[in-house]
Amino acid sequence: QKEVEQNSGPLSVPEGAIASLNCTYSDRVSQSFFWYRQYSGKSPELIMSIYSNGDKEDGRFTAQLNKASQYVSLLIRDSQPSDSATYLCAVNKRGNAGNNRKLIWGLGTSLAVNP
Amino acid sequence: ETGVTQTPRHLVMGMTNKKSLKCEQHLGHNAMYWYKQSAKKPLELMFVYNFKEQTENNSVPSRFSPECPNSSHLFLHLHTLQPEDSALYLCASSTGTGDQPQHFGDGTRLSIL
Repeated sequence: QKEVEQNSGPLSVPEGAIASLNCTYSDRVSQSFFWYRQYSGKSPELIMSIYSNGDKEDGRFTAQLNKASQYVSLLIRDSQPSDSATYLCAVNKRGNAGNNRKLIWGLGTSLAVNP
Repeated sequence: ETGVTQTPRHLVMGMTNKKSLKCEQHLGHNAMYWYKQSAKKPLELMFVYNFKEQTENNSVPSRFSPECPNSSHLFLHLHTLQPEDSALYLCASSTGTGDQPQHFGDGTRLSIL
């Protein structure tokens, strides 16, 4: 089992629709979770961070976390063509030294928003 | 300048060359990271530095040698690389190595001939 799993896609949605991206993780003690957006040929850009169970909203983005079920999701409302990118899920797990954490990454889900 | 800056953006080198990648962050962060991103693979953590001290070496081959002279600068020295080392190398920084989010530079696209 991969430590962080995402559907690779592509996920295709029409402009204005809600895009739903899902991520599951294996480490039950993980405490922090991140969604990054990566455009083709560019570096990952932080979209959302979430640390507690429930929903966290920021503009058109909502992150949802369920630690009991070990999944985190990202909803994008009113999807725009400019949202077309790969969305990476990252989960913090304990590193090799003390209280250090290290991010474990999923492969990413490719999202295409069609005009 | 703001954010995390990486140079060069592109690098082509032979297997016997020696080169270095540079990363500089202007965010006042204390932790810096090197990642490797290859096609169809998740981001691979290579090294972590916190307050200039290396806290993580993810079983990286010795042909990659990191250097962190201060909390704002990070280097990756390369020598005798292999074709499979061709990838996008990303530098990131964060306020600490706990649960804080990481912020990335634009990366160096490395091609080994």
